[in-house]
Amino acid sequence: NAGVTQTPKFRVLKTGQSMTLLCAQDMNHEYMYWYRQDPGMGLRLIHYSVGEGTTAKGEVPDGYNVSRLKKQNFLLGLESAAPSQTSVYFCASSYFGFRGNSPLHFGNGTRLTVT
Amino acid sequence: EDKVVQSPLSLVVHEGDTVTLNCSYEVTNFRSLLWYKQEKKAPTFLFMLTSSGIEKKSGRLSSILDKKELFSILNITATQTGDSAVYLCAAMNYGGSQGNLIFGKGTKLSVKP
Repeated sequence: NAGVTQTPKFRVLKTGQSMTLLCAQDMNHEYMYWYRQDPGMGLRLIHYSVGEGTTAKGEVPDGYNVSRLKKQNFLLGLESAAPSQTSVYFCASSYFGFRGNSPLHFGNGTRLTVT
Repeated sequence: EDKVVQSPLSLVVHEGDTVTLNCSYEVTNFRSLLWYKQEKKAPTFLFMLTSSGIEKKSGRLSSILDKKELFSILNITATQTGDSAVYLCAAMNYGGSQGNLIFGKGTKLSVKP
């Protein structure tokens, strides 16, 4: 019972490099989310998806892109990494989303450092 | 602006103590209040509270919501070192096209043997 799986677990990038974070869930959830967590800031929503082929912006979307080509996968891309994107990134999924009042299930996070 | 405020930000107790963590919220179109426990990795879901005054309980943990005063508490009795974690509170609303989940900054609990 894997739940939500994120890869990689750790990554160090140089400024200007690009990378993609992968999130996979095996719970058949429609809704998927990408958050970042920074000290003293709490969890902030970057982008989310309400179903296969759909994406939408969250609270802090600048500098990130996402894709949801398959229902079980949600990819987060950084096209040109900046030191301000140093953070821990969490993927989450849920059955019915916020309006459906269903809790989020989180992955174990990716710790990204941009030098 | 919607906000969730947790207090205290950090807390150190000894095994066996009882602790109360606080969460207040100011959220439009409020739907429910959630508690998560975060150790080294993923936040893990503890409780979802939708109705005022109804206590939810799981082992030594319990939580209650007061929708009139806009706050929730998380109680942990007979604390153990394994309870050491950051406890996150989040308010879910149904405003806008999809609603939102607004997180507090967390309370870091350290339980000493």
